[in-house]
Amino acid sequence: EAGVTQFPSHSVIEKGQTVTLRCDPISGHDNLYWYRRVMGKEIKFLLHFVKESKQDESGMPNNRFLAERTGGTYSTLKVQPAELEDSGVYFCASSPDSYVQETQYFGPGTRLLVL
Amino acid sequence: AQSVTQLGSHVSVSEGALVLLRCNYSSSVPPYLFWYVQYPNQGLQLLLKYTSAATLVKGINGFEAEFKKSETSFHLTKPSAHMSDAAEYFCAVRKGGSNYKLTFGKGTLLTVNP
Repeated sequence: EAGVTQFPSHSVIEKGQTVTLRCDPISGHDNLYWYRRVMGKEIKFLLHFVKESKQDESGMPNNRFLAERTGGTYSTLKVQPAELEDSGVYFCASSPDSYVQETQYFGPGTRLLVL
Repeated sequence: AQSVTQLGSHVSVSEGALVLLRCNYSSSVPPYLFWYVQYPNQGLQLLLKYTSAATLVKGINGFEAEFKKSETSFHLTKPSAHMSDAAEYFCAVRKGGSNYKLTFGKGTLLTVNP
């Protein structure tokens, strides 16, 4: 069974440009999460999808970030326009259900560097 | 609000020595606790989780953790370190109810010396 995959693995862009990150969850997982780790800080929650619906987007930093999950399969996270402070590692995770003890399976992350 | 504190951003041990990575949490309700590990150039992998079934939890690769409510701790241990254990370790807490997000500590980088 394939794990959570993320694309690209690395992205280097200039301030003001747009970047789109993609996450493919494990097949059949209705729940998809985005997290971010800024250098030197802890991994922080961004948002949670249940199928194609946003369940919780309380962690999204500002309106420059837009997440979508059309059709309830893969998800994209767009940053437009990118700022220096957006640099970090963006992780995606998925789980089959939303039970509190459910394991979230993480992808390898996308390393974003904004210059 | 819940939070997680990992004492020591970097821990160094000798091969064969005891590994002890500390995690303390604060939560207003009974928490669910997780330890994840990130090997170089890989994603986070679940080591073990506490879901109130037993206070001593055994995980993969010989790791275990003990939930101590009185100390609000969930320290990770392994009796004998192996070179392959070198990685970054993250403690995380998830509150009960409908709150699905994980709250992570800052991580502890474990170095194993030959």
